Amino acid sequence: AQTVTQSQPEMSVQEAETVTLSCTYDTSESDYYLFWYKQPPSRQMILVIRQEAYKQQNATENRFSVNFQKAAKSFSLKISDSQLGDAAMYFCAYKDNAGNMLTFGGGTRLMVKP
Amino acid sequence: DVKVTQSSRYLVKRTGEKVFLECVQDMDHENMFWYRQDPGLGLRLIYFSYDVKMKEKGDIPEGYSVSREKKERFSLILESASTNQTSMYLCASSLLPGGIADLNQPQHFGDGTRLSIL
Repeated sequence: AQTVTQSQPEMSVQEAETVTLSCTYDTSESDYYLFWYKQPPSRQMILVIRQEAYKQQNATENRFSVNFQKAAKSFSLKISDSQLGDAAMYFCAYKDNAGNMLTFGGGTRLMVKP
Repeated sequence: DVKVTQSSRYLVKRTGEKVFLECVQDMDHENMFWYRQDPGLGLRLIYFSYDVKMKEKGDIPEGYSVSREKKERFSLILESASTNQTSMYLCASSLLPGGIADLNQPQHFGDGTRLSIL
């Protein structure tokens, strides 16, 4: 079974600074998909960014980018120019090529200091 | 925009009660999912369904059952609620992949139901 590990239960960043959230996963598959979801206090899970394992280029969405290291099975999220609205729980998730199911990490709570 | 609606944001029930959590999506998605979210454990899949009347067990199905009589509605049932089922419950839906290009379809989530079993 696949596992996803987020080793940082909590992180904090100063407004306008950059922060990186870590995620590692374990799989024997070669094709799979990785996601970062954000859950603000409103509780709505929001997709932040996704990465296909067969793509070498790291995904980028505005201030959010990933560092995907396939050999190391690492998928970190970088948030640039942090804003107060970025404060939330962030979950890393894995989906294999065949299935519909997501496997989630334990989450990282990000606090943004003004 | 996809809308996934969970019937209650907060629910308080007693031990031994039969509890129904309802979820409705409005985008004709084939897949629907029920997760529970606990601190430090992230989201864990309880059950999912890829079609009407079809269901598959997730990682933690014990103590739960589900019902999918209509495509848009997916119900989670706690047959006899226990205190260890106090948790946040999240429903999600997604498209069934039509091909390799669709396999990264994201799941769309409801706002969650915080369930307390006393």
